Amino acid sequence: GENVEQHPSTLSVQEGDSAVIKCTYSDSASNYFPWYKQELGKRPQLIIDIRSNVGEKKDQRIAVTLNKTAKHFSLHITETQPEDSAVYFCAARQGGGATNKLIFGTGTLLAVQP
Amino acid sequence: DSGVTQTPKHLITATGQRVTLRCSPRSGDLSVYWYQQSLDQGLQFLIQYYNGEERAKGNILERFSAQQFPDLHSELNLSSLELGDSALYFCASSVGGGAEQYFGPGTRLTVT
Repeated sequence: GENVEQHPSTLSVQEGDSAVIKCTYSDSASNYFPWYKQELGKRPQLIIDIRSNVGEKKDQRIAVTLNKTAKHFSLHITETQPEDSAVYFCAARQGGGATNKLIFGTGTLLAVQP
Repeated sequence: DSGVTQTPKHLITATGQRVTLRCSPRSGDLSVYWYQQSLDQGLQFLIQYYNGEERAKGNILERFSAQQFPDLHSELNLSSLELGDSALYFCASSVGGGAEQYFGPGTRLTVT
């Protein structure tokens, strides 16, 4: 089955710096890769996603890149702000058609120091 | 607010008991997913239903079962509860099977 590894497990940056979180997946058939942000005690919120036919996607300060050959994808946050502090999860979709099983990475705790 | 609702918000029960968690998907969404989040296991996929039918199964214990009703709401039943079942249980929904999943606020289950 699919396995998703995520690094680093914790990341501390200064406000205004960039943050990068990396994930690797094992199943070459995976074709959808979402990123979720989870604040303490809250639900995971979808912040950006990418499909396997695209190499990069950007939404304001957030971008995701995908390297299908190497089977890894990354989340890039630029000009970080204290409100970006949260746990970030990557995921890879396993399945096809109406089957939509997400396998999550272990999460990255991002702390943005003011 | 994602539009996905879950009840109850908190649940405290004893070992050996049975509980039912309820989820209402966003309006128009046909797929419902259940996830378990614990400190040592992270976010684990349990099961997916699409328009009333089971579509995918993860590491769901035999003591756990789920169903999706004709009105598309879903229930997760947990029986013979153990201390290790204490966790946050999230429901998510999506329009179809290949679309973005939106999570509900979760049910925090504590087994004592």
